[in-house]
Amino acid sequence: DAGVIQSPRHEVTEMGQEVTLRCKPISGHDYLFWYRQTMMRGLELLIYFNNNVPIDDSGMPEDRFSAKMPNASFSTLKIQPSEPRDSAVYFCASSSRLAGFIETQYFGPGTRLLVL
Amino acid sequence: AQTVTQSQPEMSVQEAETVTLSCTYDTSESDYYLFWYKQPPSRQMILVIRQEAYKQQNATENRFSVNFQKAAKSFSLKISDSQLGDAAMYFCAWTGGSEKLVFGKGTKLTVNP
Repeated sequence: DAGVIQSPRHEVTEMGQEVTLRCKPISGHDYLFWYRQTMMRGLELLIYFNNNVPIDDSGMPEDRFSAKMPNASFSTLKIQPSEPRDSAVYFCASSSRLAGFIETQYFGPGTRLLVL
Repeated sequence: AQTVTQSQPEMSVQEAETVTLSCTYDTSESDYYLFWYKQPPSRQMILVIRQEAYKQQNATENRFSVNFQKAAKSFSLKISDSQLGDAAMYFCAWTGGSEKLVFGKGTKLTVNP
């Protein structure tokens, strides 16, 4: 069974450009999470979805960030316009709920973003 | 708010030896899950082990085991027979009734040959 798939694995862009990160969750998982990891702030939850519906986007840093989940097998995180301080590793994770509790979150390999 | 604390920013161990990584958490909930994730230099987050709070038996996965002390809100990870491939950042994480994972700041483990 394939794990969480993210693309691209690396992205280098210039300030002001639009960046789109993509994620395919594990089949059958109904929760999808987007995280950002930096040295300064550690792992931060940006947003998460349940059954394709955004549940909590309180971690999204500002309006330049947006996330969508048009169907159960695909999600995007978009940054427009990008800034150097957005440079980080962005992770997607998925999980399901069992017996009232969220099951283990499985992480994708991450996208390493560098904004020049 | 729930918090997870890893008090050891860095640890080192000799190959084949045993090392224990500490984690404490703060919660008023009675039912929850605890996790240890490993992040090697590749940056991939890999699940190492999981513990359900309602289970008294400590979880084990091959060379990895936990010491779960619910009353003390402590969840340490023991790595036996350490291998060079165990070198990584290790994150302790907690989840309760909501879907969110609360992570500690991590412990960097170095394995010396």
